[in-house]
Amino acid sequence: EAGVAQSPRYKIIEKRQSVAFWCNPISGHATLYWYQQILGQGPKLLIQFQNNGVVDDSQLPKDRFSAERLKGVDSTLKIQPAKLEDSAVYLCASSPRTGIAKNIQYFGAGTRLSVL
Amino acid sequence: AQSVTQLDSQVPVFEEAPVELRCNYSSSVSVYLFWYVQYPNQGLQLLLKYLSGSTLVESINGFEAEFNKSQTSFHLRKPSVHISDTAEYFCAVSDGAGANNLFFGTGTRLTVIP
Repeated sequence: EAGVAQSPRYKIIEKRQSVAFWCNPISGHATLYWYQQILGQGPKLLIQFQNNGVVDDSQLPKDRFSAERLKGVDSTLKIQPAKLEDSAVYLCASSPRTGIAKNIQYFGAGTRLSVL
Repeated sequence: AQSVTQLDSQVPVFEEAPVELRCNYSSSVSVYLFWYVQYPNQGLQLLLKYLSGSTLVESINGFEAEFNKSQTSFHLRKPSVHISDTAEYFCAVSDGAGANNLFFGTGTRLTVIP
């Protein structure tokens, strides 16, 4: 079974530029999460999707961050414009919708963003 | 709301020695508990989980953790560590209800010394 795929693995941009990250969850997983992991900290949830609908985006800085999952499968997270403090690893995770396994999240390798 | 405290940011230990990584949580509801491991430049890998049943859970590579409800703890232990266990370890909690979000601790860097 293929895991959660993310691209790119690394991205370097200058402040005020825009950037986009892509995530393809495990096949059949209805729930998709985006996390931000700043160096030295644990991951923090940005947004959660159930199929193509947003379940929780309370921690997403909506003035500059946006995310979509139009067809309920892969997802894109965008930052526009980027700030220095956005430098972090952006992790995508997925989980099934039902059953006991819905409580288990599987993570991709992440995208490391450096904003200069 | 849930929160997780990992008091030890770094734990150095000699190879083949035992180790314990501490995790305490706060929650007003029943919880699910997880330990994830992160190797350099990689994503998070699920190490073990407590969802229900036996309070002692084990991983395939010799780690174990015990859910202690009265002490609100979920400490991770291994009787004999290997060099390959060097990594960052994150404890996480979710309430399993509603959005089922994970709340992570700040992580413990385990360094195994040859």
